[in-house]
Amino acid sequence: GEDVEQSLFLSVREGDSSVINCTYTDSSSTYLYWYKQEPGAGLQLLTYIFSNMDMKQDQRLTVLLNKKDKHLSLRIADTQTGDSAIYFCAESILFQNFVFGPGTRLSVLP
Amino acid sequence: DTGVSQNPRHKITKRGQNVTFRCDPISEHNRLYWYRQTLGQGPEFLTYFQNEAQLEKSRLLSDRFSAERPKGSFSTLEIQRTEQGDSAMYLCASSPPVSYGYTFGSGTRLTVV
Repeated sequence: GEDVEQSLFLSVREGDSSVINCTYTDSSSTYLYWYKQEPGAGLQLLTYIFSNMDMKQDQRLTVLLNKKDKHLSLRIADTQTGDSAIYFCAESILFQNFVFGPGTRLSVLP
Repeated sequence: DTGVSQNPRHKITKRGQNVTFRCDPISEHNRLYWYRQTLGQGPEFLTYFQNEAQLEKSRLLSDRFSAERPKGSFSTLEIQRTEQGDSAMYLCASSPPVSYGYTFGSGTRLTVV
């Protein structure tokens, strides 16, 4: 079955880099995603990576994918207080329903 | 277009009552999804429409739950005989036919007392 796991909490200082990790079990996943959820809001798509890629960079965000180990990470450079939120890793197969992880709560300390 | 709209934002109901939520997707999106999110968890898939056809339903969607999308535009999710375990945030999302990600609404928070 499909399962996505993440550590639940991460605390960093403003200006440092944050690295949020995720592991998944379904080797047939075609896309892997990172979503951000702020309090009281819906989920906002941050970035995604196709399963045949190993890295994707988008401004302050870097996604690394290790398909052999089924490990995905999201690096946020120069983390700001506005980055405080819950970050969800998700997998999908050919744009069908997503399987989400439990979310990592990122706290950015001044 | 203002994105995916969900109504109401909050709903408090007594156990045993029926509730109905509405989702208005982005107008050109033909796919519509319902997810449920409980506190401290990621969203869990409930059901998915392509136009007016309901193509997939999760095992989480018990007989008390029904979703419709009659004209392929807005969708409703009804929960009959609500139970305390139904308390959650119900999220709707939509996407165009081939898309790398959904657009989520802000959700309807249901509290069953």
